Amino acid sequence: EPEVTQTPSHQVTQMGQEVILRCVPISNHLYFYWYRQILGQKVEFLVSFYNNEISEKSEIFDDQFSVERPDGSNFTLKIRSTKLEDSAMYFCASRRGANTGELFFGEGSRLTVL
Amino acid sequence: QQQVKQSPQSLIVQKGGISIINCAYENTAFDYFPWYQQFPGKGPALLIAIRPDVSEKKEGRFTISFNKSAKQFSLHIMDSQPGDSATYFCAASGTASKLTFGTGTRLQVTL
Repeated sequence: EPEVTQTPSHQVTQMGQEVILRCVPISNHLYFYWYRQILGQKVEFLVSFYNNEISEKSEIFDDQFSVERPDGSNFTLKIRSTKLEDSAMYFCASRRGANTGELFFGEGSRLTVL
Repeated sequence: QQQVKQSPQSLIVQKGGISIINCAYENTAFDYFPWYQQFPGKGPALLIAIRPDVSEKKEGRFTISFNKSAKQFSLHIMDSQPGDSATYFCAASGTASKLTFGTGTRLQVTL
């Protein structure tokens, strides 16, 4: 069964460092998302990406964040200068089409900022 | 208007019992209402979903009840099993838009 894969599974970084989280969405999917979940809290939307551009972003997704689809398979989330409060589980998700509701989530990348 | 409110925050049910989790939404543009199940350390996985043209959808032991006029929907887990112990999130979205998640319900099914 096709799945969304994410790397790394866990990253520990120092405050102020840049972090890149990587995702390989399901191959025939067209819509890509990043969500985050602070420990014990709800899943929060960060950004959606379609047709090589951001289609929607939340207030959380400030200038420190960026997304990129550098090739036909990878979808990355970059945090330029990490803060303590960026510590969370980051989930990549993808969806096949606009009217196809199901969002498929990866297993997540746990980011710990020290 | 984008909020999805979920209750209860936690739920303890005996094996074989019925687990009921409720959600309410405000945005009338929402037209897709999924429930996700999440085990510790894992990503959310789609459990069951409904669109507003039906009032109920059943898949195995899982049923969504949907009340469009009240803007509420609920998940019923029949014959709850210890393996159902997980966190459950309701969510909602409009066409081609992001999913907005509820706050989650931690379900524990005891023997």
